[in-house]
Amino acid sequence: GAGVSQSPSNKVTEKGKDVELRCDPISGHTALYWYRQSLGQGLEFLIYFQGNSAPDKSGLPSDRFSAERTGGSVSTLTIQRTQQEDSAVYLCASSRGMGGNTIYFGEGSWLTVV
Amino acid sequence: AQRVTQPEKLLSVFKGAPVELKCNYSYSGSPELFWYVQYSRQRLQLLLRHISRESIKGFTADLNKGETSFHLKKPFAQEEDSAMYYCALRGGSSNTGKLIFGQGTTLQVKP
Repeated sequence: GAGVSQSPSNKVTEKGKDVELRCDPISGHTALYWYRQSLGQGLEFLIYFQGNSAPDKSGLPSDRFSAERTGGSVSTLTIQRTQQEDSAVYLCASSRGMGGNTIYFGEGSWLTVV
Repeated sequence: AQRVTQPEKLLSVFKGAPVELKCNYSYSGSPELFWYVQYSRQRLQLLLRHISRESIKGFTADLNKGETSFHLKKPFAQEEDSAMYYCALRGGSSNTGKLIFGQGTTLQVKP
């Protein structure tokens, strides 16, 4: 596609439910990132995939959060037993690889936990 | 540890006034520094990077390793510059690709 695509764009879920957020990176991009954007918290790094290397999960806030990237392309961010503090915009981004390559962002998935 | 600090949450200026959005970083190696911008209802996008030493939309930023700063400047602000601006750092020596962002500064340019 022309850009990074994320779905759903908006998701309202009840506290305690699990949610899955999907990211389709730009074709040919080997690096994929997940960030969380909260009011007053800026952009918080969650996880980073690069090719076949082990992902950098150092930003995941708890074991309720996990992410997969299948076939080196599509990625799914899963949040189990959602809490109200999980409410945020979850941004996905991709780039051609490491180093100085530009990172392109999706429009984000707005998650509201009620 | 990598850290990016943007001390101002909101910067409000009048059209035509100079603008400086502050960014300080903490990193022990040779970092790559970036500025990203998010206009209303648009996705986050790259504005400029220090290695390019370019001027985009009239904005410039100089990496000052002595002061560990990468402030974004524009001599004459325009209303269309109103947006959220994020400073970001990527560890150059480790080359992990992980981009760490600051908390962001909202720039409001008043007519």
